[in-house]
Formats: sequence, structure tokens, C-alpha cells
Amino acid sequence: DADVTQTPRNRITKTGKRIMLECSQTKGHDRMYWYRQDPGLGLRLIYYSFDVKDINKGEISDGYSVSRQAQAKFSLSLESAIPNQTALYFCATSDPRTYQETQYFGPGTRLLVL
Amino acid sequence: GDSVTQMEGPVTLSEEAFLTINCTYTATGYPSLFWYVQYPGEGLQLLLKATKADDKGSNKGFEATYRKETTSFHLEKGSVQVSDSAVYFCALREDSTLTFGKGTMLLVSP
Repeated sequence: DADVTQTPRNRITKTGKRIMLECSQTKGHDRMYWYRQDPGLGLRLIYYSFDVKDINKGEISDGYSVSRQAQAKFSLSLESAIPNQTALYFCATSDPRTYQETQYFGPGTRLLVL
Repeated sequence: GDSVTQMEGPVTLSEEAFLTINCTYTATGYPSLFWYVQYPGEGLQLLLKATKADDKGSNKGFEATYRKETTSFHLEKGSVQVSDSAVYFCALREDSTLTFGKGTMLLVSP
């Protein structure tokens, strides 16, 4: 089984709808991250969480919110989806106790907002 | 703020050719440097890393040397394979988060 899973893998929604993307991990890592990937722009950080009680905004948090329900779960919500939120979304985890703190990525959720 | 600049792709090579993907960075301190690879339809995975000047990271035949004087971390491989076709991301970490470059697509033909 994959260490970092994301659901759904693909989602089509309409402008104005609220949607939630979910991330679960079995790695036991405290730190979790949400990124979006757009062609030609690389990965940009949306939100990150260093433990269940710690939530931080990243580079592009406007229009998004997150919830850290447990150490293993970190959800990303689009309160009112708009077409320019169409992108590939990745969740990642890391363990600060490890040397150089590698981030481990999920397989991604492809979101299309019509 | 921190930033990473990579050469634009796609880079198109024949099998067994030599590969270089350039990466330069801007940071206020002494960041750790990474190369991640994304195979088609998958998430990113760490390819190699280096934490201080003159360190060389290596994995699967790929190498990159942390050059503080030129603020660079160029990715090289002596002989690419078709299976190396992917998108390669250079990244740095100076505090607790990663800053990525825009990615470079590599296409290797038989």
C-alpha cells in the first residue's frame, strides 16, 4: 500500500462549488503539505502543517482552507471553486527528525473546474 | 525571497547521450539543495540531495554538485535511458519549506 494517498484522484466540478481533497499517510510523519502544480509554473505551496495544532499559509493560500484532523490526515478545501484553480494538487509529508528531511509525495489529484 | 531557476524544456536526447539540466538558486543563507523527479502520472520522488558547499549528491547514475560560488546545482547523467523520461525539479530548503523550480521535461528516444 502507498504511504501517502490522495482522494479523489480526479475530480470535475463547477464554478462556485465547495470541494474537499483528502490526504492520508501511514508514514507517521508530523509534517504535511499541500502544493499545486501548473504547467510551466512548477509546484507552489498552498498550506503546511507541522503538527495537528499547527497550520501555516504558504505562497498561494487565497481561496483555499485546510484541516488537520489527525496526524495522518490533512484535507484541502476550495470554498468556492473557480476555473483558475484547475490544476494538479499534491500532498506531501516529512519527518523533521530525519537528516535533510526528505518530503514524500502522494500521487496527486487532478482537478478541473468548469 | 528564495528562488530556483531551471533551464526550460523539453530536453530531447537519444538513448546513451549525456545529460545536463542547469539549476541556479537565490537564497539568503545556506540552503539544502534537492533534485526531485516526476514520472508520467505519478507524484514527485526524491532523486538526490546535498546540504553544503561541494557536496555531491548521486543516485541511479545521476549526479549534482553543490556549487556555492556559482549558486548552482546542475543535474548530470553520463548515459540516459528511455526510462529516464520524466520531469525534473530542482528545489531548495532554507527554513522549513521547499522552494521548487518550474521543472524541466526530459524526453529520451531509443
